[in-house]
Amino acid sequence: DTGVSQDPRHKITKRGQNVTFRCDPISEHNRLYWYRQTLGQGPEFLTYFQNEAQLEKSRLLSDRFSAERPKGSFSTLEIQRTEQGDSAMYLCASSRDGGGSDEAFFGQGTRLTVV
Amino acid sequence: EDKVVQSPLSLVVHEGDTVTLNCSYEVTNFRSLLWYKQEKKAPTFLFMLTSSGIEKKSGRLSSILDKKELFSILNITATQTGDSAVYLCGAKRGGATNKLIFGTGTLLAVQP
Repeated sequence: DTGVSQDPRHKITKRGQNVTFRCDPISEHNRLYWYRQTLGQGPEFLTYFQNEAQLEKSRLLSDRFSAERPKGSFSTLEIQRTEQGDSAMYLCASSRDGGGSDEAFFGQGTRLTVV
Repeated sequence: EDKVVQSPLSLVVHEGDTVTLNCSYEVTNFRSLLWYKQEKKAPTFLFMLTSSGIEKKSGRLSSILDKKELFSILNITATQTGDSAVYLCGAKRGGATNKLIFGTGTLLAVQP
């Protein structure tokens, strides 16, 4: 495992459809983050998992968004009833707990386009 | 409210120039500051800074943190066209969250 893996890389969907993205973190990393990035902006925090526990959700994460990390390994982010404003790059990052070296490494992202 | 501000927003230089990118932050329970380079895809990690005054260096890139004045700089010497990218600064909160709060980034364009 050489890095954080996200799938799919690109997704085009019609407004109102549901979409699900997957993130596979670096294998020994117990922390997992989801971010959203729109053009010309830095990544915005969405949610954070430590192992399987979802410890924080941003106010940006409306009730149409849900994230899971059922076994503390891979994570999924689902968006229900997509809207055009959901179009963005969805980035996943992972890091290791403790040891003072907890830099986060990002995946390649899933670019969502809602038409 | 936590915030990270980067300046300049964009910068155009010629190969061989030296550039300095700025990042100021106001973050509750600040833990560390991270710099990333983003070309068309995912941000790639450059530096993590936790202590004031200690320069981190990697090749032509270097960075330093001032926790008293709440800012960091990223220096790139002898710039090359391959340095063209968006440079993101993120401040990490400590505690249970450990989330990174990012600035909008500095878009650097290095012309031949």
